[in-house]
Amino acid sequence: NAGVTQTPKFQVLKTGQSMTLQCAQDMNHEYMSWYRQDPGMGLRLIHYSVGAGITDQGEVPNGYNVSRSTTEDFPLRLLSAAPSQTSVYFCASSYSGALNTGELFFGEGSRLTVL
Amino acid sequence: AQTVTQSQPEMSVQEAETVTLSCTYDTSESDYYLFWYKQPPSRQMILVIRQEAYKQQNATENRFSVNFQKAAKSFSLKISDSQLGDAAMYFCASSMDSNYQLIWGAGTKLIIKP
Repeated sequence: NAGVTQTPKFQVLKTGQSMTLQCAQDMNHEYMSWYRQDPGMGLRLIHYSVGAGITDQGEVPNGYNVSRSTTEDFPLRLLSAAPSQTSVYFCASSYSGALNTGELFFGEGSRLTVL
Repeated sequence: AQTVTQSQPEMSVQEAETVTLSCTYDTSESDYYLFWYKQPPSRQMILVIRQEAYKQQNATENRFSVNFQKAAKSFSLKISDSQLGDAAMYFCASSMDSNYQLIWGAGTKLIIKP
């Protein structure tokens, strides 16, 4: 079972570069989301989607774009990387019907360093 | 603002003993869920246990149990018979947000001493 797959696992960027973090799930989940994890802080929601063609902003959306053209994929784009975006990024998915129960399935994370 | 607070940045316990991790939260909602997630060194988050706020009975999952005190807005995790594989970051979270987004605590690092 693949579950939630994130690529790449590690990435180093220079300030101003752009890149895309890929996320794919094979569980037919309607809900997908991107979080960032910083030391000493809980996960913070960047963007989320409740279905193909529908996306919305979370707590910290600035500097990031998302799209959801298929149920399976939910890429996160950094338009112009900044050192403040150095973090570990997690993609998570869930059945929409389980949203209020909060059981999320997570990918293994992507560690991004911006120099 | 709704918040989840974990006041213990780090805890340690001897293997085979019991440890309790603390979590408090603040909400005006009456219906919500509370969770404990585990993040081992491999980084992947795994759901450990879940509690529905309207249920008075504390949730249990094998060696993991919670002490849910709704009036005190407290949700602690008890790990019995601690094992080396329990070493991880533990995050408390809640689905109090009206958009069903999870609100997360900062985490507690659990160290198991052999």
